[in-house]
Amino acid sequence: QTVVTQEPSFSVSPGGTVTLTCGLSSGSVSTNYFPTWCQQTPGQAPRTLIYSTNTRSSGVPDRFSGSILGNKAALTITGAQAADESDYYCVLYMSSAIRVFGGGTKLTVL
Amino acid sequence: QVQLQESGPGLVKPSETLSLTCTVSGGSINNYYWSWIRQPPGKGLEWIAYISYSGNTNYNPSLKSRLTISVDTSKNQLSLRLSSVTAADTAVYYCVRDQGRLGGFDYWGQGTLVTVSS
Repeated sequence: QTVVTQEPSFSVSPGGTVTLTCGLSSGSVSTNYFPTWCQQTPGQAPRTLIYSTNTRSSGVPDRFSGSILGNKAALTITGAQAADESDYYCVLYMSSAIRVFGGGTKLTVL
Repeated sequence: QVQLQESGPGLVKPSETLSLTCTVSGGSINNYYWSWIRQPPGKGLEWIAYISYSGNTNYNPSLKSRLTISVDTSKNQLSLRLSSVTAADTAVYYCVRDQGRLGGFDYWGQGTLVTVSS
């Protein structure tokens, strides 16, 4: 069973930069997994921020960026704002076309 | 603007079948893939399955034996049926337009909470 790993929690100061990562319990994440990042604020439905590793969805500020860092996918927030305090989920697309979510990272901005 | 609205019973008894419908408005079901995603209270997201407008499906292996999803293009609706439910199936269920590897999930419903309890 493939497990997608994320940091359970992270904190960043307002205006700071934070990088959240998304890995695999076995193996490396590459662009072939088309990593997607979703943001969920409390009580709301999620929204997609980044898809296909580094493409921002419509309306997403450019302070959000996606990449591959080493053997993981990464979501970097530059100039963090209070509004960025949310849960962030990565999704990987497996060769079988099934989608697998990571456990999510709770980001605190303080 | 595409809108998705999930509907169905909010309470289902253990061992029974959970049935949900997703109505798509502001756009057509045709030419797209659609996923169901769920989130147990206080926990993370879990992809359940996808279906195309033409009926192609792919299921989460852990749920496949209990799942049936379908599409009704004439009504612009999707349906999900999950049999033999237990308390572990208690979750908010989301209907989502799924653009796949090259587009992600671009429209989400507001979600509907289904509680499994006697």
